Amino acid sequence: NAGVTQTPKFQVLKTGQSMTLQCAQDMNHEYMSWYRQDPGMGLRLIHYSVGAGITDQGEVPNGYNVSRSTTEDFPLRLLSAAPSQTSVYFCASSLTGTSGSWYEQYFGPGTRLTVT
Amino acid sequence: SQKIEQNSEALNIQEGKTATLTCNYTNYSPAYLQWYRQDPGRGPVFLLLIRENEKEKRKERLKVTFDTTLKQSLFHITASQPADSATYLCALGKYSTLTFGKGTMLLVSP
Repeated sequence: NAGVTQTPKFQVLKTGQSMTLQCAQDMNHEYMSWYRQDPGMGLRLIHYSVGAGITDQGEVPNGYNVSRSTTEDFPLRLLSAAPSQTSVYFCASSLTGTSGSWYEQYFGPGTRLTVT
Repeated sequence: SQKIEQNSEALNIQEGKTATLTCNYTNYSPAYLQWYRQDPGRGPVFLLLIRENEKEKRKERLKVTFDTTLKQSLFHITASQPADSATYLCALGKYSTLTFGKGTMLLVSP
């Protein structure tokens, strides 16, 4: 199993450009999520999905868009990049249980994004 | 709003000693608490999960405690090794979201 893969590893954008960060997992996990990690801020949840066709907002969703058409893929779209979106982005996946039960999350290697 | 606090200062210990990291939280009633390890330039790696009705969990040299009255979790690494040097994150879970602390850096010197 490849686990959780993310592409690209590095990206530089100009302000106003749009792009899609790719995330894929081959573990048949229902739950997938996107976090951003900034120095001194820790990991913050952007969007998450509990299954194909279902997405919801996390703590910091503004400026980002997601969709989940398949179990495997969960792309993150930056609609109009801003310098404040310079960060390291991590995708994660996990199994889900009933009644809100939780399992370990598997993280991808991250995408380091710089917006100039 | 909910708040998770981990020691912002790095914890320096000698090899062979027990490292104890603290995670405190306020304005939150998590159903689960997890600990992750993160090495520079890498994604977090899951270590342990403890549920709200559990007091203690162990895995090899790792032990986590969860006190919902004190709103605190302690993470212990016994017989620490230089390879244990990393940043350790605690995360609180409820329903469909996890909220992470900022992490504590552990440095184990030979």
